[in-house]
Amino acid sequence: QITLKESGPTLVKPTQTLTLTCTLSGFSLSTSGVAVGWIRQTPGKALECLALIYWDEDKRYNPSLESRLTITKDTSKNQVVLTMTNMDPVDTATYYCVHLMTTKNHYDYWGQGTLVSVSS
Amino acid sequence: ETVMTQSPATLSVSPGERATLSCRASQTVNNYLAWYQQKPGQAPRLLIYDASTRATGIPARFSGSGSGTEFTLTISSLQSEDSAVYYCQQYNNWPPYTFGQGTKLEIK
Repeated sequence: QITLKESGPTLVKPTQTLTLTCTLSGFSLSTSGVAVGWIRQTPGKALECLALIYWDEDKRYNPSLESRLTITKDTSKNQVVLTMTNMDPVDTATYYCVHLMTTKNHYDYWGQGTLVSVSS
Repeated sequence: ETVMTQSPATLSVSPGERATLSCRASQTVNNYLAWYQQKPGQAPRLLIYDASTRATGIPARFSGSGSGTEFTLTISSLQSEDSAVYYCQQYNNWPPYTFGQGTKLEIK
């Protein structure tokens, strides 16, 4: 059974760096064809793809946020980490991690999401 | 970036009737189009992928159609638990894979 669970701070201050961790269960990011991504959903409910990391270490970023994002994986811990620098109140959102297979590229499993607020 | 536009923004339908939701892409996405259902307080759930393939465990009353730039999600014989926001997403053109703004489906 594939599950993903996000963890991290619920509140960060403007200009700080956000670090979110996604813990994977039921699959391994060392398996060929597997990828994990981060999606966020603003309070207005818009969904935005942030970054993807693939089993072979390939990475993709949303160009609008690329300068602020870093995605990494720790296969031994079965975790994926997203960092976002220079946080702003407009980054307040629910952040989800998702599973996908590169043969399909749709998001077939989602974590429960974690709400991050940016405020001083 | 491929812009996905959904219509209508809100749809109100009676139980047992059919709901038709539309999604348009600003450029072709071939058939790389998914539909997700999101209920309050929950993560989105995959309903349809590759425009017309139901995901595992999705009831047959949900169906998808279309290709290129025009897509439709049809929910036949609506049930009360189908009340939710529905999103389309293209995964043909990166960067990035983009979502529509959602259609809120209300059951009368």
